[in-house]
Amino acid sequence: DAKTTQPPSMDCAEGRAANLPCNHSTISGNEYVYWYRQIHSQGPQYIIHGLKNNETNEMASLIITEDRKSSTLILPHATLRDTAVYYCIVSPRYNQGGKLIFGQGTELSVKP
Amino acid sequence: GAGVSQSPSNKVTEKGKDVELRCDPISGHTALYWYRQSLGQGLEFLIYFQGNSAPDKSGLPSDRFSAERTGGSVSTLTIQRTQQEDSAVYLCASSLDPTDTQYFGPGTRLTVL
Repeated sequence: DAKTTQPPSMDCAEGRAANLPCNHSTISGNEYVYWYRQIHSQGPQYIIHGLKNNETNEMASLIITEDRKSSTLILPHATLRDTAVYYCIVSPRYNQGGKLIFGQGTELSVKP
Repeated sequence: GAGVSQSPSNKVTEKGKDVELRCDPISGHTALYWYRQSLGQGLEFLIYFQGNSAPDKSGLPSDRFSAERTGGSVSTLTIQRTQQEDSAVYLCASSLDPTDTQYFGPGTRLTVL
């Protein structure tokens, strides 16, 4: 079973920041938080991951709370092309078997 | 560089037929994964290959499903005696090693009539 809880859907206005929350209250010390997204009819796309520090890359920022029980993915200036299902996944970096366990994700709709 | 590729992109078959789905991972990636995504469902892990180690088949739903990875590169997922409930998008991913980010292919949409 997925170890994360995400809202099923969110809307965001184009050009605004999209803030996608994720709860992972049972995360253990060796587990990272990964974010993937899946645009309609495409395979999932890696976005970002982190352990306990905030992370930023060219796609997004990841804010992890100090207790690591929740995180927020931030798309600073959402565009229509960011409309997708966003998955938050917790997994050990050196996990057994390498498999990712996806939940239902958040369907983000970016509107003009 | 080239990403993960899968073929065919779409496959329609009749119930009871066998199908083979192909995955070409990113060159140099030692880890390869198969997942499937049924309509309205999340992604479900099927099988994982790492180098020359025995594959982790723990996600295969039945013995009608099998997969192989020849020469540590291309992988084929075979479904024998297909059933309607096998209809799904089958996704392949690869990573440089088991600790690295997984990169997904576009998937094969399988429809069993």
